[in-house]
Amino acid sequence: EAGVVQSPRYKIIEKKQPVAFWCNPISGHNTLYWYLQNLGQGPELLIRYENEEAVDDSQLPKDRFSAERLKGVDSTLKIQPAELGDSAVYLCASSLGTGANTEAFFGQGTRLTVV
Amino acid sequence: AQTVTQSQPEMSVQEAETVTLSCTYDTSESNYYLFWYKQPPSRQMILVIRQEAYKQQNATENRFSVNFQKAAKSFSLKISDSQLGDTAMYFCAFMPLSGKLSFGAGTTVTVRA
Repeated sequence: EAGVVQSPRYKIIEKKQPVAFWCNPISGHNTLYWYLQNLGQGPELLIRYENEEAVDDSQLPKDRFSAERLKGVDSTLKIQPAELGDSAVYLCASSLGTGANTEAFFGQGTRLTVV
Repeated sequence: AQTVTQSQPEMSVQEAETVTLSCTYDTSESNYYLFWYKQPPSRQMILVIRQEAYKQQNATENRFSVNFQKAAKSFSLKISDSQLGDTAMYFCAFMPLSGKLSFGAGTTVTVRA
């Protein structure tokens, strides 16, 4: 079974440019997370989806960040315009649900460098 | 809001010895899940062990075990018989029943040969 797939793995862009990240969760997983991880720190939640609904986006900087999960499967995270401080690893994770199925599976992440 | 605190930024352990990582959390909820995740250098995060708050018995997975103290809101991870492949960053994580998964700042574990 394929795991969580993220692309691209690496992205280098100039500041003020737009950038998009893509995530394909494990088949059948209803819950999808986007996290931001700075070097040497823990992941910080940006947004959580239950199917196609964003149930927690309180930490998403909505002036420049946006996300969507069409049809409750794949998801994209966009930054426009990017700033130097956005340089980080963006992690996507998915889980089957809550209760006994709470294990979150992570993708390999997209490492963004803004220059 | 829930917070997860890992007070040890770095730990070093000799191969075959035991190391214990600490984690405390803050919540007003009575039922929730706790996790330890491992993130090897440049590799993806994987689940090490999981504990359900309503279960008093501490979870174990081979060489990994936890000491869950609900009243103290403490959730430590013990790695026994440490191996070189255990070198990684370890994250404690908390999830209430609502499903929001929150992480601590992590502890870098280095296993010395």
